Amino acid sequence: DQQVKQNSPSLSVQEGRISILNCDYTNSMFDYFLWYKKYPAEGPTFLISISSIKDKNEDGRFTVFLNKSAKHLSLHIVPSQPGDSAVYFCAASASGTYKYIFGTGTRLKVLA
Amino acid sequence: GAGVSQSPSNKVTEKGKDVELRCDPISGHTALYWYRQSLGQGLEFLIYFQGNSAPDKSGLPSDRFSAERTGGSVSTLTIQRTQQEDSAVYLCASSFRPSSGNTIYFGEGSWLTVV
Repeated sequence: DQQVKQNSPSLSVQEGRISILNCDYTNSMFDYFLWYKKYPAEGPTFLISISSIKDKNEDGRFTVFLNKSAKHLSLHIVPSQPGDSAVYFCAASASGTYKYIFGTGTRLKVLA
Repeated sequence: GAGVSQSPSNKVTEKGKDVELRCDPISGHTALYWYRQSLGQGLEFLIYFQGNSAPDKSGLPSDRFSAERTGGSVSTLTIQRTQQEDSAVYLCASSFRPSSGNTIYFGEGSWLTVV
């Protein structure tokens, strides 16, 4: 049972445009969400997080939106840059637990 | 060191051999995780350590897999009698506290190929 789903395995976006990466979850107990970026042959690096008490968190070019009723979050990157080309993972956890459940990732390609 | 350190970075082993993968977490981090990413798959939770508590081994795929954490710091993941399906990148991560709301930081991974 995949509790965290990233239904788009890949996405291509033109440089300068907005990239929108989506993530859905099924467990209503999840209340903390993370996004990671992973380059080939490297470990995932933390990008941005959001708590369920918020519906938006922004950090520079990266914004994460959370829709609790739809159990959906999205990562917006604007403007997209070629260096953003990587695999993006979303992860979720529930209060009182320590286990982070990851999605299968979306490969973003930003075209110059 | 400043980040999570893993070794070896790459390991090619023959089917049936045992392998050991090492993780040195960020100094001061009490929680340590092992994840695995097989080709084309997401990150699969394997095992979690927190202080002196009993580890959560619920993600280990078979009894050929084991892990220990000595002195609350360095961890070793051991795979006995390796199989080709064990080929994956094994990622170690640590966090300051184990609870939700704390970011986990990953190492570069140990890339295991079983031939």
